[in-house]
Amino acid sequence: QKEVEQNSGPLSVPEGAIASLNCTYSDRGSQSFFWYRQYSGKSPELIMSIYSNGDKEDGRFTAQLNKASQYVSLLIRDSQPSDSATYLCAVNMFRDDYKLSFGAGTTVTVRA
Amino acid sequence: EAQVTQNPRYLITVTGKKLTVTCSQNMNHEYMSWYRQDPGLGLRQIYYSMNVEVTDKGDVPEGYKVSRKEKRNFPLILESPSPNQTSLYFCASSFVRVGPMNTEAFFGQGTRLTVV
Repeated sequence: QKEVEQNSGPLSVPEGAIASLNCTYSDRGSQSFFWYRQYSGKSPELIMSIYSNGDKEDGRFTAQLNKASQYVSLLIRDSQPSDSATYLCAVNMFRDDYKLSFGAGTTVTVRA
Repeated sequence: EAQVTQNPRYLITVTGKKLTVTCSQNMNHEYMSWYRQDPGLGLRQIYYSMNVEVTDKGDVPEGYKVSRKEKRNFPLILESPSPNQTSLYFCASSFVRVGPMNTEAFFGQGTRLTVV
């Protein structure tokens, strides 16, 4: 079982719609969760971090965490063409506090 | 400006010719790591360092070496590169904090390496 798994995509949504990205992780003790955005050929940049169960909103982005289900998601509301990128889910593995394990990423395309 | 700087950005080399990719951060981070990114496989950790003179293997360390003689620098060394090391490489750094709210990683610009 992979440590972090994301829905494979690619995901295509029309401009103005909601993009929904999902991520599951294997280490039940993990406590820190991150979503990174990566444009083609560029480095990942952090867009959301979440540490507690529930929702966390930042502008058009909402991260949701459910530790019991070992599930974290990212919603992008009012999607814009500039949101077209690959989104990486990253999780701190409990057994190795400082290691970030990444999912393979979900590529999102927002159609104008 | 807080940043992680990698050099070179692009490199084409031949099989067996030793090379070094440099990484430097100016945020006084303790933790530094190297990742490679390949299509469909995401980011995989090669080596990491918790602090000066402390390094350890990540998930895919074969064929790579690192050193951490200074806190700010963490070079990646390929002693004898092979074509299967053709990849996009990222250096990242973060603070080491006790507790759950930790380890937001900052990434360098990336180094695209081609070994022919």
